Amino acid sequence: EVLLVESGGGLVKPGGSLRLSCAASGFTFSSYSMNWVRQAPGKGLEWVASISTSSTYIDYADSVKGRFTISRDNAKNSLYLQMNSLRVEDTAVYYCARAGVVVPLYNWFDPWGQGTLVTVSS
Amino acid sequence: DIQMTQSPSSLSASVGARVTITCRASQDISNYLVWYQQKPGKVPKLLIYGASTLQSGVPSRFSGSGYGTDFTLSISSLQPEDVATYYCQNYNSAPRTFGQGTKVEIK
Repeated sequence: EVLLVESGGGLVKPGGSLRLSCAASGFTFSSYSMNWVRQAPGKGLEWVASISTSSTYIDYADSVKGRFTISRDNAKNSLYLQMNSLRVEDTAVYYCARAGVVVPLYNWFDPWGQGTLVTVSS
Repeated sequence: DIQMTQSPSSLSASVGARVTITCRASQDISNYLVWYQQKPGKVPKLLIYGASTLQSGVPSRFSGSGYGTDFTLSISSLQPEDVATYYCQNYNSAPRTFGQGTKVEIK
């Protein structure tokens, strides 16, 4: 069974930092690109960042570019999101999502983890 | 960046009714479109990819169509378990933009 388990969420003050992790199991992690998607309370889905299998290709939403860093460790079957200079508007549930298929580089998200809540508040 | 616009933003229909949700891309995305279903308090679930291919395990009452800029998600006979918010997403290129969502309720 494919499993994605996020961790690292919590309460942080504006301007602070947080590192999210996503532990993957049940599939060959190094073969799939990975993604972070967030959902603010009561709002829709927002794609945050994507990373290719060997970290060669990385993309960010404009809203997080320069503040967030996506990375992965294929030896540890893990995906990360380093979030710096956090803002109140970054408050959301952050989902880790696998690419639906191995190729092409850009494809859909399936499956999704359960999410981890990040709250940015003073 | 490609913008994805869904309509309506919400709808209410009777059990057994046919429901149609529209998603429009701001530029041609070929068939690089997916639909997700998010039930209240749950994780988004893939319904359709490639604009019209049903994900394994998804009931056949769901169907997708469209190409280029205009796409539709249809539920042929609405069931109580279909109460959810439905999102389209472009996966043609980054950013992989989502539509704003369509909330489906039972009348």
